[in-house]
Amino acid sequence: SYVLTQPPSVSVAPGQTARITCGGNNIGSKSVHWYQQKPGQAPVLVVYDDSGRPSGIPERFSGSNSGNTATLTISRPEAGDEADYYCQIWDSRTGQCVFGSGTKVTVL
Amino acid sequence: QVQLVESGGGVVRPGRSLRLACAASGFTFSNYAIHWVRQAPGRGLEWVASISYDGSNKHYADSVKDRFTISRDNSKSTLFLQMSTLTPEDTAVYYCAREDLRRFRYWGQGTLVTVSS
Repeated sequence: SYVLTQPPSVSVAPGQTARITCGGNNIGSKSVHWYQQKPGQAPVLVVYDDSGRPSGIPERFSGSNSGNTATLTISRPEAGDEADYYCQIWDSRTGQCVFGSGTKVTVL
Repeated sequence: QVQLVESGGGVVRPGRSLRLACAASGFTFSNYAIHWVRQAPGRGLEWVASISYDGSNKHYADSVKDRFTISRDNSKSTLFLQMSTLTPEDTAVYYCAREDLRRFRYWGQGTLVTVSS
């Protein structure tokens, strides 16, 4: 089955840029979606189709996808952005949805 | 507004069965595929199963295939997950989520299933 690999944690200072990677075989050929999840809450979609941003999501969240790596970028993160972030794709070969292992983002 | 409300969670002994439900409102339920996603305590998200808008097409994660059955009642805007032969590894919060073009914009708040003797 298709595997998505994320770093367990990313730390970022206020005013800097956080980049969360999601690795997968030729992931650039797939649409990647990103979710933010805070403790005790359901996930929230923050980026869809590699780089789209749902209504209500701040502009500081952006995404890209090429080759074997998709990236979620949080520009000038705020304390409220501390959360777990998950990438997700649809494996059309198996008809299964796949989530990455998740990355905990800490704003120092 | 779109709402998804899960129910049916609880404590169950290993080897037993449990049925979860997800009541939908605020949209035309019969137009959308719906999924179950679970999250074990302290772990990441794991996709469990999906069902097409009309119930004709179903997919399962390898970890639950042949033990879990997803179904829906469009007349009642309700999704179900029948879980059998439960093991402690099935302990998790179970979320239902509406699919919009292979992504999940709307989620329920989840229901906790604990498998323990």
